[in-house]
Amino acid sequence: GQQLNQSPQSMFIQEGEDVSMNCTSSSIFNTWLWYKQDPGEGPVLLIALYKAGELTSNGRLTAQFGITRKDSFLNISASIPSDVGIYFCAGQRSGNEKLTFGTGTRLTIIP
Amino acid sequence: GAVVSQHPSWVICKSGTSVKIECRSLDFQATTMFWYRQFPKQSLMLMATSNEGSKATYEQGVEKDKFLINHASLTLSTLTVTSAHPEDSSFYICRISGREGTDTQYFGPGTRLTVL
Repeated sequence: GQQLNQSPQSMFIQEGEDVSMNCTSSSIFNTWLWYKQDPGEGPVLLIALYKAGELTSNGRLTAQFGITRKDSFLNISASIPSDVGIYFCAGQRSGNEKLTFGTGTRLTIIP
Repeated sequence: GAVVSQHPSWVICKSGTSVKIECRSLDFQATTMFWYRQFPKQSLMLMATSNEGSKATYEQGVEKDKFLINHASLTLSTLTVTSAHPEDSSFYICRISGREGTDTQYFGPGTRLTVL
């Protein structure tokens, strides 16, 4: 099935650094979602975006819904050890429809 | 947010056996449930969409006779992997959605299936 292009594929950073990742699509979505997945667990919703241009924060996380509706980015400020994991973006065209997932960004914090 | 559970959390079975995985919505009426499969180091791939009281819609390439989905109530959907083979070993995750739509982007904790 279709997947969204997510970059970078992996990141190795030091604690305290800021992180930025993005997701792009060849088609339009009306909802963008960002999830974090820890090993052996299901994805946990971090931020949901419902309007083009919307900028939403959740603690140290900030995400934006691109104006073209074909992209989104997620920023994490002042990273901490518990931020380690895999981050997925997902696009959705309408409320009850399926999600199309990005390829994932694996975040590792170097001690 | 909504609470979603899956049972079992992990299962090991012999090749040729069938395995049933349950997905329960504990505090939400899930009119739609989605089943995903995730292989190691890969993203989630949608297998099928099930609406309460009707037949599931399967994604291209997913065998409906092998992956049986039943969504008999607003709180329970089951995925049965029939005649499992080693290549079916994967992480199976459900997601719930309801009439409210945009507020129901919640996944279950996943079920790890290992077929020997």
